[in-house]
Formats: sequence, C-alpha cells, structure tokens
Amino acid sequence: SAVISQKPSRDICQRGTSLTIQCQVDSQVTMMFWYRQQPGQSLTLIATANQGSEATYESGFVIDKFPISRPNLTFSTLTVSNMSPEDSSIYLCSVDSFNYGYTFGSGTRLTVV
Amino acid sequence: GNSVTQMEGPVTLSEEAFLTINCTYTATGYPSLFWYVQYPGEGLQLLLKATKADDKGSNKGFEATYRKETTSFHLEKGSVQVSDSAVYFCALSRGNEKLTFGTGTRLTIIP
Repeated sequence: SAVISQKPSRDICQRGTSLTIQCQVDSQVTMMFWYRQQPGQSLTLIATANQGSEATYESGFVIDKFPISRPNLTFSTLTVSNMSPEDSSIYLCSVDSFNYGYTFGSGTRLTVV
Repeated sequence: GNSVTQMEGPVTLSEEAFLTINCTYTATGYPSLFWYVQYPGEGLQLLLKATKADDKGSNKGFEATYRKETTSFHLEKGSVQVSDSAVYFCALSRGNEKLTFGTGTRLTIIP
C-alpha cells in the first residue's frame, strides 16, 4: 500500500490565521482526498484533489476557506484559512491504494485558540 | 445515496471477551466494505476489507463477512485484548467514489 507522510502532526494556532497541511505520497496517485474529523465525530470528506485540475468540494465546504493545491501526482496541500475555534479538528489526507484500499496519513491535530 | 449505520458506542468489555460491532449499509450495486481502526492520538489504519458478497476479511484476530442478503459487515473478535482499545469505523466505497463512513464505535477493554 501507499505510504503517506503528513505534516505537521499537530499545531496550535491563533484565530484569524491560516495553516497549511502537507501530504507526500511515496507513489503516484490520481486522486487525493482531504477529510476533517471533529472531536468525537466520524470523518467528513472536505474535497477530492486531482492533479492538474481544481479540487472538487463537498457540500458545506468552499475553496475560499479550504484552498487545496495538487501540483503533482505525489503531493497535495490543504490550507485552513481565517481560522476560528470551530475549525479545531483532526485533518487527514487519504489516497486509494490500488487493490489495498484507502490509506490515510497520520493526521494533523489542529487547535485554534 | 450510500450510507453506513454502525453500532452505537461506547463499548466496554473485559479482556478475553467476545466482541461484535454491528455494521449495516445502504448502497446500490456491489460496494467494497472496510473496517478502519483509530488508536488514541493516531490516524486511521485499514483493519480489514471485503470486495464481494460472502468474502471474509480478517486481520489481527478480527473478522468480518460481507453479507449481501442482510447488507451487513459485522466486526468480530473471539478474545479481545487491552491493546484493542480504539475507535472502529465501518466504511464503504463503490469504484473510485469517496469512502462513506459510519459514526465510529469507541471500544475500551479493561484488564
């Protein structure tokens, strides 16, 4: 299966600032997925990122708040913009490892104060 | 649309007890089914999967059988250990579509 390196693993940020989360995959993948896991909750898909095109956002998520870059087939970033305490969550990236299933990064635990 | 209904938690068991976490799904066609585990402070790890009816996924003593007739994928383990304490997520996907997750079940095993 693919191996994903996600960073930072955690951060504490001031409200109104932005944080960029990075995911590096050890193999080329077509689609990368970004999820949010609010405290004590399940995972919610934010967007799907394909290389060379704009990300596709799920209902309730917008590009201005969660801009995504996908410059090549092994890397993607998610930015959480103009943060508020409600953005405190774990953010995870994921890829579809062919024949294995979906692999997840170790997550970024974000606290906004 | 697709949906996953998962047994409500939290679940607390004594070590060596038998574990069942129920999962049922709604989807058209033949989705792939997954169980993911999230240990404290960590990301998600794939525990097991099944891609067609009657398939049995197994890993680390856990098993789940893809039951098309009952649209279920219940997770079982014969004898749990303290190290199995984690949150367990049932999920499905169809082809290249996104994963749909259940709400998660927090499992605590006491010695």
